[in-house]
Amino acid sequence: QQQVKQSPQSLIVQKGGIPIINCAYENTAFDYFPWYQQFPGKGPALLIAIRPDVSEKKEGRFTISFNKSAKQFSLHIMDSQPGDSATYFCAALGSGTYKYIFGTGTRLKVLA
Amino acid sequence: NAGVMQNPRHLVRRRGQEARLRCSPMKGHSHVYWYRQLPEEGLKFMVYLQKENIIDESGMPKERFSAEFPKEGPSILRIQQVVRGDSAAYFCASSPNPGQGQKLFFGSGTQLSVL
Repeated sequence: QQQVKQSPQSLIVQKGGIPIINCAYENTAFDYFPWYQQFPGKGPALLIAIRPDVSEKKEGRFTISFNKSAKQFSLHIMDSQPGDSATYFCAALGSGTYKYIFGTGTRLKVLA
Repeated sequence: NAGVMQNPRHLVRRRGQEARLRCSPMKGHSHVYWYRQLPEEGLKFMVYLQKENIIDESGMPKERFSAEFPKEGPSILRIQQVVRGDSAAYFCASSPNPGQGQKLFFGSGTQLSVL
């Protein structure tokens, strides 16, 4: 119940494509859902986050779609660029807690 | 305005040796979290510390692993008598205060290799 399931494990798209990464959770106590971007040799960095009171959030080329009833959320990267090639992690956090639960990561490669 | 600093970046130990991983949180942050990342896996919570206090060590193995965050100096994650299964990337994160929606700032990690 504390898991966050992430898919796909890896993804290859052409430059300009729209990669979509999906995450699903079981615990309805989760109420904060961030996405982290990690480049090789670096720590994860917060990319964008959403709370369940909205169904979509956009920041630049990155969009989170949130489906509360299905307990799913996804990351879309518009007009993807080779510089977006990285590993992306979804995460979830329960109200009043500090213990983030991370997905297993998606390795994205954007071809030039 | 330095970020979260971890050292060393790479640490090689032979089985049975001790590993010490250091983490200096961002300036003004008094909450430190350690996570472990295995290949093809997400980050797993290990321990949460405030200055001089361990708040939650539920994700840390009971034996061989310990953590501290002294009043002065960096947080230390200590692994005694390392085994090959301890090989992983260990990330430290800090936040100004814990709880709902608090952004975690991660360091670049320490890659521990046990020979």
